[in-house]
Amino acid sequence: NAGVMQNPRHLVRRRGQEARLRCSPMKGHSHVYWYRQLPEEGLKFMVYLQKENIIDESGMPKERFSAEFPKEGPSILRIQQVVRGDSAAYFCASSPAGQGRSGNTIYFGEGSWLTVV
Amino acid sequence: GEDVEQSLFLSVREGDSSVINCTYTDSSSTYLYWYKQEPGAGLQLLTYIFSNMDMKQDQRLTVLLNKKDKHLSLRIADTQTGDSAIYFCAETPWDDKIIFGKGTRLHILP
Repeated sequence: NAGVMQNPRHLVRRRGQEARLRCSPMKGHSHVYWYRQLPEEGLKFMVYLQKENIIDESGMPKERFSAEFPKEGPSILRIQQVVRGDSAAYFCASSPAGQGRSGNTIYFGEGSWLTVV
Repeated sequence: GEDVEQSLFLSVREGDSSVINCTYTDSSSTYLYWYKQEPGAGLQLLTYIFSNMDMKQDQRLTVLLNKKDKHLSLRIADTQTGDSAIYFCAETPWDDKIIFGKGTRLHILP
């Protein structure tokens, strides 16, 4: 039973390019969360998705960032026209149902480290 | 507002107990979590406690919750070199997301 799979693990992009980060949730999990970890910081919530729906995107920057979780295939976090400040670790997590107050355990992937040069 | 505070660094001698403290702000949080992150790796859920509990013990780990003071602690007994990592405290306010602290870096002294 594979865990949450993220790829690529490491990605280097030049300023102005696009970054696409992929996340395959654990089998049977229909809820996906993206978090960003800046250097020396904790994890900041970005977006919460279910299949084909964005439930909460209150943590997403207003511009250049988008996320999707299609009916088939992995969830994608897309960053357009990357800048140096986008350099961070991006973690995906999944759960079988809503996390938080329901107490369902969520499982994190190993992260994708984006470096913008 | 939502905020989780924890000290950034802790040094402990091997074999001693480590106590990592955390304060949170949202009294409605139902669950409080401790995650461990080793260098270059993702987050591993260590343990969690339901808000109506005062204490939870799991092998070398003891979690204490003081709901009145909104204070959470994680005690690691007989600290080993493999415990060296960043430990994140997290709370779950009313909506469906987890709020993390900045993490406490645990350094083990020989």
